[in-house]
Amino acid sequence: EMQLVESGGSVVQPGGSLRLSCAASGFTFDNYAMNWVRQAPGKGLEWVSGINGRGSSVYYGGSVTGRFTISRDNSENTLFLEMDSLTADDTGIYYCVKRGRGSQPLWGQGTRVTVSS
Amino acid sequence: DIVLTQSPLSLPVTPGEPASISCKSSQSLLHTNGYTYLDWYLQKAGHSPQLLIYLGSNRASGVPDRFSGSGSGTAFTLEISRVEAEDVGIYYCMQALQTPYSFGQGTKLEI
Repeated sequence: EMQLVESGGSVVQPGGSLRLSCAASGFTFDNYAMNWVRQAPGKGLEWVSGINGRGSSVYYGGSVTGRFTISRDNSENTLFLEMDSLTADDTGIYYCVKRGRGSQPLWGQGTRVTVSS
Repeated sequence: DIVLTQSPLSLPVTPGEPASISCKSSQSLLHTNGYTYLDWYLQKAGHSPQLLIYLGSNRASGVPDRFSGSGSGTAFTLEISRVEAEDVGIYYCMQALQTPYSFGQGTKLEI
């Protein structure tokens, strides 16, 4: 069974840093581009970042460019999101999303990030 | 950037009746590989988004056949043939043609 399990969410102070992880299983991880999508409390969905299968191309949404870094370890089937200079606007649930060219997308259950003093 | 516009934003329905949600894109979502990168999701209260339809018209595994997706280019529709009480929630369309991927504003279906 294909599965994505996020971890690393917690409460962090403004200006702080956090590293999220997403463990993948049940599919050939390096065959697929991966993404992070987030949802602020009571708000809609926002795409945050994406990375291709080899990790050679990365993409960011405008609100996180320069502060967040996406990466992957294909030997460990794990996706990461390094988040720096966090603000209250970064509070929300962060989802890991598998998105292949012609295959069915897969979402994890999410990990909660709270930026608060 | 591609902008997705959903309508209506609120959809009161009666169980057993059909329902329809529109999603219009600012650019065609047809890729040169022939795939159309438009997905539909349902988010029930307190839960993560649940995939309903991917690549415009492919029903996701385990999704009841009362859900269907149609459309091409810039205009797409999600249809529910007979609404059930468990279909309550917020429906989102999402484009994955090009980054930044984007979502519609969401349509709240209420009974």
